[in-house]
Amino acid sequence: AQSVTQLGSHVSVSEGALVLLRCNYSSSVPPYLFWYVQYPNQGLQLLLKYTTGATLVKGINGFEAEFKKSETSFHLTKPSAHMSDAAEYFCAVSEGDQGGKLIFGQGTELSVKP
Amino acid sequence: DVKVTQSSRYLVKRTGEKVFLECVQDMDHENMFWYRQDPGLGLRLIYFSYDVKMKEKGDIPEGYSVSREKKERFSLILESASTNQTSMYLCASSPAGGGRNTIYFGEGSWLTVV
Repeated sequence: AQSVTQLGSHVSVSEGALVLLRCNYSSSVPPYLFWYVQYPNQGLQLLLKYTTGATLVKGINGFEAEFKKSETSFHLTKPSAHMSDAAEYFCAVSEGDQGGKLIFGQGTELSVKP
Repeated sequence: DVKVTQSSRYLVKRTGEKVFLECVQDMDHENMFWYRQDPGLGLRLIYFSYDVKMKEKGDIPEGYSVSREKKERFSLILESASTNQTSMYLCASSPAGGGRNTIYFGEGSWLTVV
Protein backbone atom coordinates (compact mmCIF):
# COMPACT_ATOMS: atom_id res chain seq x y z
CA ALA A 1 0.00 0.00 0.00
CA GLN A 2 1.06 3.53 -0.64
CA SER A 3 2.03 5.81 2.20
CA VAL A 4 3.61 9.20 2.75
CA THR A 5 5.66 10.36 5.72
CA GLN A 6 6.45 13.98 6.36
CA LEU A 7 9.26 14.43 8.86
CA GLY A 8 8.45 17.18 11.32
CA SER A 9 4.94 18.39 12.01
CA HIS A 10 6.28 21.90 12.70
CA VAL A 11 9.23 23.65 11.08
CA SER A 12 10.34 27.16 12.00
CA VAL A 13 12.77 29.24 9.95
CA SER A 14 13.88 32.84 9.92
CA GLU A 15 12.94 35.13 7.08
CA GLY A 16 15.55 34.76 4.34
CA ALA A 17 16.67 31.31 5.49
CA LEU A 18 16.48 28.09 3.52
CA VAL A 19 13.22 26.18 3.73
CA LEU A 20 13.46 22.37 3.69
CA LEU A 21 10.36 20.24 4.19
CA ARG A 22 10.93 16.51 4.09
CA CYS A 23 8.74 13.90 2.44
CA ASN A 24 9.31 10.17 2.01
CA TYR A 25 6.91 7.86 0.22
CA SER A 26 6.24 4.20 -0.17
CA SER A 27 4.91 2.91 -3.47
CA SER A 28 5.03 -0.38 -5.33
CA VAL A 29 4.97 1.30 -8.74
CA PRO A 30 6.50 4.52 -10.08
CA PRO A 31 4.64 7.25 -8.24
CA TYR A 32 3.24 10.61 -9.12
CA LEU A 33 4.19 13.04 -6.34
CA PHE A 34 2.62 16.31 -5.30
CA TRP A 35 3.15 19.15 -2.87
CA TYR A 36 0.16 21.25 -1.82
CA VAL A 37 0.02 24.35 0.39
CA GLN A 38 -2.85 25.37 2.64
CA TYR A 39 -3.15 28.89 3.99
CA PRO A 40 -5.32 29.45 7.09
CA ASN A 41 -9.01 28.79 6.52
CA GLN A 42 -8.49 27.93 2.88
CA GLY A 43 -8.43 24.85 0.70
CA LEU A 44 -5.32 23.25 -0.78
CA GLN A 45 -3.40 24.80 -3.65
CA LEU A 46 -0.96 22.87 -5.84
CA LEU A 47 2.67 23.98 -5.44
CA LEU A 48 4.26 21.49 -7.81
CA LYS A 49 4.12 17.91 -9.02
CA TYR A 50 6.35 15.20 -10.42
CA THR A 51 4.98 12.83 -13.02
CA THR A 52 7.79 11.80 -15.35
CA GLY A 53 10.92 13.30 -16.85
CA ALA A 54 13.15 15.77 -15.06
CA THR A 55 13.50 14.86 -11.41
CA LEU A 56 13.94 18.46 -10.25
CA VAL A 57 10.57 20.13 -10.40
CA LYS A 58 9.96 23.84 -10.06
CA GLY A 59 6.72 25.19 -8.71
CA ILE A 60 5.02 28.40 -7.77
CA ASN A 61 6.31 30.98 -5.29
CA GLY A 62 9.95 29.91 -5.74
CA PHE A 63 9.54 26.38 -4.41
CA GLU A 64 11.12 23.32 -5.95
CA ALA A 65 11.36 19.63 -5.14
CA GLU A 66 13.58 16.78 -6.27
CA PHE A 67 12.38 13.24 -6.86
CA LYS A 68 14.99 10.76 -5.63
CA LYS A 69 13.91 7.25 -6.42
CA SER A 70 16.80 5.58 -4.58
CA GLU A 71 15.87 7.43 -1.40
CA THR A 72 12.09 7.33 -2.00
CA SER A 73 12.07 11.02 -1.20
CA PHE A 74 10.48 14.19 -2.58
CA HIS A 75 11.73 17.00 -0.35
CA LEU A 76 10.47 20.56 -0.85
CA THR A 77 12.90 23.47 -0.76
CA LYS A 78 12.97 27.23 -1.15
CA PRO A 79 16.25 29.17 -0.98
CA SER A 80 14.91 32.15 0.95
CA ALA A 81 11.81 32.14 3.13
CA HIS A 82 9.28 34.96 3.09
CA MET A 83 6.77 35.76 5.79
CA SER A 84 4.03 34.94 3.29
CA ASP A 85 5.28 31.32 3.12
CA ALA A 86 3.85 30.59 6.58
CA ALA A 87 1.27 27.88 5.95
CA GLU A 88 0.72 24.14 6.15
CA TYR A 89 2.33 21.98 3.49
CA PHE A 90 1.18 18.56 2.39
CA CYS A 91 3.05 15.95 0.40
CA ALA A 92 0.94 13.42 -1.49
CA VAL A 93 1.38 10.39 -3.74
CA SER A 94 -0.79 8.98 -6.49
CA GLU A 95 -0.06 5.64 -8.09
CA GLY A 96 -0.20 5.27 -11.83
CA ASP A 97 -3.70 5.09 -13.17
CA GLN A 98 -5.54 5.01 -9.87
CA GLY A 99 -7.85 7.70 -11.11
CA GLY A 100 -6.13 10.49 -9.31
CA LYS A 101 -6.69 9.38 -5.73
CA LEU A 102 -4.13 11.02 -3.51
CA ILE A 103 -2.62 9.63 -0.32
CA PHE A 104 -1.46 12.50 1.89
CA GLY A 105 1.19 12.89 4.52
CA GLN A 106 0.37 14.29 7.92
CA GLY A 107 1.31 17.83 6.96
CA THR A 108 4.07 20.19 8.07
CA GLU A 109 3.28 23.59 9.49
CA LEU A 110 5.87 26.16 8.44
CA SER A 111 6.44 29.22 10.61
CA VAL A 112 8.59 32.12 9.41
CA LYS A 113 10.16 34.39 12.01
CA PRO A 114 11.00 37.99 11.17
CA ASP B 1 -10.02 29.63 -13.48
CA VAL B 2 -10.72 26.28 -11.94
CA LYS B 3 -13.46 26.43 -9.36
CA VAL B 4 -14.65 23.95 -6.78
CA THR B 5 -17.34 25.46 -4.60
CA GLN B 6 -18.48 24.14 -1.25
CA SER B 7 -21.70 25.86 -0.41
CA SER B 8 -21.37 25.81 3.38
CA ARG B 9 -18.12 27.00 4.98
CA TYR B 10 -19.17 26.66 8.62
CA LEU B 11 -21.87 24.43 10.04
CA VAL B 12 -22.95 23.48 13.55
CA LYS B 13 -25.19 20.43 13.82
CA ARG B 14 -26.60 18.37 16.64
CA THR B 15 -25.78 14.73 17.29
CA GLY B 16 -28.10 12.48 15.31
CA GLU B 17 -28.94 15.05 12.65
CA LYS B 18 -28.68 14.22 8.96
CA VAL B 19 -26.11 16.51 7.36
CA PHE B 20 -25.59 17.34 3.70
CA LEU B 21 -22.36 18.88 2.41
CA GLU B 22 -22.66 20.10 -1.14
CA CYS B 23 -19.91 20.54 -3.70
CA VAL B 24 -20.04 21.87 -7.25
CA GLN B 25 -17.26 22.10 -9.82
CA ASP B 26 -17.37 24.11 -13.02
CA MET B 27 -14.54 22.43 -14.92
CA ASP B 28 -16.45 19.48 -16.43
CA HIS B 29 -14.23 17.10 -14.46
CA GLU B 30 -15.07 13.41 -14.38
CA ASN B 31 -13.52 12.68 -10.99
CA MET B 32 -14.72 14.05 -7.67
CA PHE B 33 -13.55 13.36 -4.14
CA TRP B 34 -14.41 13.99 -0.50
CA TYR B 35 -11.60 14.19 2.02
CA ARG B 36 -11.62 14.76 5.73
CA GLN B 37 -8.83 16.79 7.35
CA ASP B 38 -7.82 16.42 10.99
CA PRO B 39 -4.75 17.84 12.78
CA GLY B 40 -1.83 15.43 12.72
CA LEU B 41 -3.60 13.05 10.34
CA GLY B 42 -3.44 14.98 7.11
CA LEU B 43 -6.23 14.38 4.61
CA ARG B 44 -8.05 11.06 4.44
CA LEU B 45 -10.23 9.96 1.55
CA ILE B 46 -13.86 9.28 2.42
CA TYR B 47 -15.50 8.60 -0.95
CA PHE B 48 -14.81 9.29 -4.61
CA SER B 49 -16.59 9.12 -7.92
CA TYR B 50 -15.31 8.69 -11.47
CA ASP B 51 -18.66 9.22 -13.17
CA VAL B 52 -22.26 10.23 -12.64
CA LYS B 53 -24.14 7.80 -10.36
CA MET B 54 -20.91 6.02 -9.62
CA LYS B 55 -19.23 5.97 -6.20
CA GLU B 56 -16.45 4.11 -4.49
CA LYS B 57 -15.38 3.91 -0.87
CA GLY B 58 -12.18 5.54 0.19
CA ASP B 59 -10.20 4.82 3.32
CA ILE B 60 -12.72 6.00 5.93
CA PRO B 61 -16.28 5.62 4.54
CA GLU B 62 -17.96 4.50 7.77
CA GLY B 63 -20.74 6.86 8.81
CA TYR B 64 -20.84 8.61 5.42
CA SER B 65 -22.55 8.23 2.09
CA VAL B 66 -22.42 10.22 -1.15
CA SER B 67 -24.58 11.14 -4.08
CA ARG B 68 -23.63 12.13 -7.61
CA GLU B 69 -26.74 12.70 -9.75
CA LYS B 70 -25.07 15.26 -12.00
CA LYS B 71 -21.53 15.45 -13.28
CA GLU B 72 -20.78 18.77 -11.63
CA ARG B 73 -22.23 18.01 -8.19
CA PHE B 74 -21.01 15.62 -5.49
CA SER B 75 -22.72 15.55 -2.11
CA LEU B 76 -21.46 14.09 1.13
CA ILE B 77 -24.11 12.84 3.54
CA LEU B 78 -23.76 12.12 7.24
CA GLU B 79 -26.79 9.95 7.96
CA SER B 80 -26.63 10.50 11.73
CA ALA B 81 -23.99 12.97 12.77
CA SER B 82 -21.76 12.14 15.71
CA THR B 83 -19.28 14.25 17.64
CA ASN B 84 -16.33 12.31 16.18
CA GLN B 85 -17.33 13.62 12.78
CA THR B 86 -16.44 17.15 13.83
CA SER B 87 -13.82 18.04 11.26
CA MET B 88 -12.87 19.99 8.15
CA TYR B 89 -14.27 18.46 4.95
CA LEU B 90 -12.66 19.13 1.60
CA CYS B 91 -14.20 18.46 -1.79
CA ALA B 92 -11.98 18.08 -4.84
CA SER B 93 -12.17 17.30 -8.53
CA SER B 94 -9.85 16.27 -11.35
CA PRO B 95 -10.10 15.37 -15.03
CA ALA B 96 -10.10 11.76 -16.16
CA GLY B 97 -6.82 10.26 -17.26
CA GLY B 98 -5.11 8.85 -14.25
CA GLY B 99 -3.00 9.86 -11.33
CA ARG B 100 -0.82 12.40 -13.06
CA ASN B 101 -3.61 14.95 -13.23
CA THR B 102 -3.86 17.73 -10.70
CA ILE B 103 -6.65 17.52 -8.16
CA TYR B 104 -8.33 20.86 -7.43
CA PHE B 105 -9.73 21.56 -3.98
CA GLY B 106 -12.56 23.64 -2.63
CA GLU B 107 -12.20 26.01 0.32
CA GLY B 108 -13.44 23.44 2.82
CA SER B 109 -16.43 23.05 5.13
CA TRP B 110 -15.90 23.23 8.86
CA LEU B 111 -18.43 20.97 10.58
CA THR B 112 -18.96 21.00 14.32
CA VAL B 113 -21.27 18.34 15.80
CA VAL B 114 -22.50 19.13 19.31
